[in-house]
Amino acid sequence: AQSVTQPDIHITVSEGASLELRCNYSYGATPYLFWYVQSPGQGLQLLLKYFSGDTLVQGIKGFEAEFKRSQSSFNLRKPSVHWSDAAEYFCAVGVHTGGFKTIFGAGTRLFVKA
Amino acid sequence: DGGITQSPKYLFRKEGQNVTLSCEQNLNHDAMYWYRQDPGQGLRLIYYSQIVNDFQKGDIAEGYSVSREKKESFPLTVTSAQKNPTAFYLCASRTTSATQETQYFGPGTRLLVL
Repeated sequence: AQSVTQPDIHITVSEGASLELRCNYSYGATPYLFWYVQSPGQGLQLLLKYFSGDTLVQGIKGFEAEFKRSQSSFNLRKPSVHWSDAAEYFCAVGVHTGGFKTIFGAGTRLFVKA
Repeated sequence: DGGITQSPKYLFRKEGQNVTLSCEQNLNHDAMYWYRQDPGQGLRLIYYSQIVNDFQKGDIAEGYSVSREKKESFPLTVTSAQKNPTAFYLCASRTTSATQETQYFGPGTRLLVL
C-alpha cells in the first residue's frame, strides 16, 4: 500500500538557520511528489512538486526539495529560515489507483525561534 | 480571481443533525476532493469526483455523502451517522489534463459539535 512518512512531528530552528524536513514514501511506480504548507486555520498551499526530470526542484518562498529514488525520499530544504516560515508542512505522493489520489504524510510543524 | 471557496468558515452541528459544507471552484477543474483533517493525522480522503455525476468513496466515507451535479460544485453532507464529526474539512480540485497532477485547496471549514 502507498504511504508517506514524515518522521519528525515538530522541529524548532533559529531564524536564519538552515532547515531540512524529512519525507519518505512507499510506492511501487514512479511517484508524483509534493510539498504543501499550511498556516493555522488555513488551506494548503503548494510549495513545490516533482513529476520527472531534474531531481532537485525549486519551489516558492526559497524552498527546494531533492528526490532520491534509492532512498525513497523527498526531503524539503531551505538555506535560511524566516519567522514567517513557521507553519505545518505536508509531504504527499500522488498515485493513480481508481482515479488519481494524493496521499499525505502526518505533517511536520515548524517552530522558528528568534 | 480563480480559486476554490468553502463556506461557511465555521459550522456548528447539533446531535442528530445533518449539515452540508459548500465547495465551489471556478478553475474549470474536472476533479474535486474532500478531506478531513484531525490534529496529528494529516489529511484523510472522504470522497472524490473525477467528473460530473460521478464520485467514489475515499478512505473514511462512512457517515458522509456528496453530490456532483455541476462541475463547479461538490457539496459534502455530514450526516447524523458520523459520530465524531468535529474536524477541519478541506476541499480540493485538480485538472485532469496530462502532467497537471496537482491539487489546489480551499481555505477549509471547521465543524464543531454543540
